Amino acid sequence: DSGVTQTPKHLITATGQRVTLRCSPRSGDLSVYWYQQSLDQGLQFLIQYYNGEERAKGNILERFSAQQFPDLHSELNLSSLELGDSALYFCASSVSGRAWTGELFFGEGSRLTVL
Amino acid sequence: DAKTTQPPSMDCAEGRAANLPCNHSTISGNEYVYWYRQIHSQGPQYIIHGLKNNETNEMASLIITEDRKSSTLILPHATLRDTAVYYCIETSGSRLTFGEGTQLTVNP
Repeated sequence: DSGVTQTPKHLITATGQRVTLRCSPRSGDLSVYWYQQSLDQGLQFLIQYYNGEERAKGNILERFSAQQFPDLHSELNLSSLELGDSALYFCASSVSGRAWTGELFFGEGSRLTVL
Repeated sequence: DAKTTQPPSMDCAEGRAANLPCNHSTISGNEYVYWYRQIHSQGPQYIIHGLKNNETNEMASLIITEDRKSSTLILPHATLRDTAVYYCIETSGSRLTFGEGTQLTVNP
């Protein structure tokens, strides 16, 4: 158990819909990272927040958005869903804002299926 | 984005050492080498990291060449539970960029 909690674990929805994935970081961790893992793309970095502010942005689509709240939990919002958005979405947390200063702790992921 | 090169797959006998190579020929002086593994579709798990010295922890050893252009992750006594995809990652700044990794299969 990494201490990172992601909900829901599984989600099935239809194209065009909107979903929200939630992540609670480990106690004391200030950074939250979101990754997408689909069968043909591997693990892709989406976005990072540090203490409520966006720190780095990766290959995140405009239809996706995220935020980190004052209690440090984070939400990833996916809208106008397409079949290709079906993937595992991982959240990770770390104490610092820089990945090279320590390990990232990953949650068990949210599996999104778009039909 | 990934700048590391790993063999796509390797096999290892249970109880033997697993040596997983990684080339990171474009690594710069302030970039660390991180190793993570992913068992089936679980969340990636941190193994070890290093800058230029060899490192050892309870899970593995990391051997980094003097020129820092390659490294080897060593699992000293592989078990069936070590079957996973192993990722070698360069990192600086805020992100870890995962490549394709090496699928390690530990055979009984």
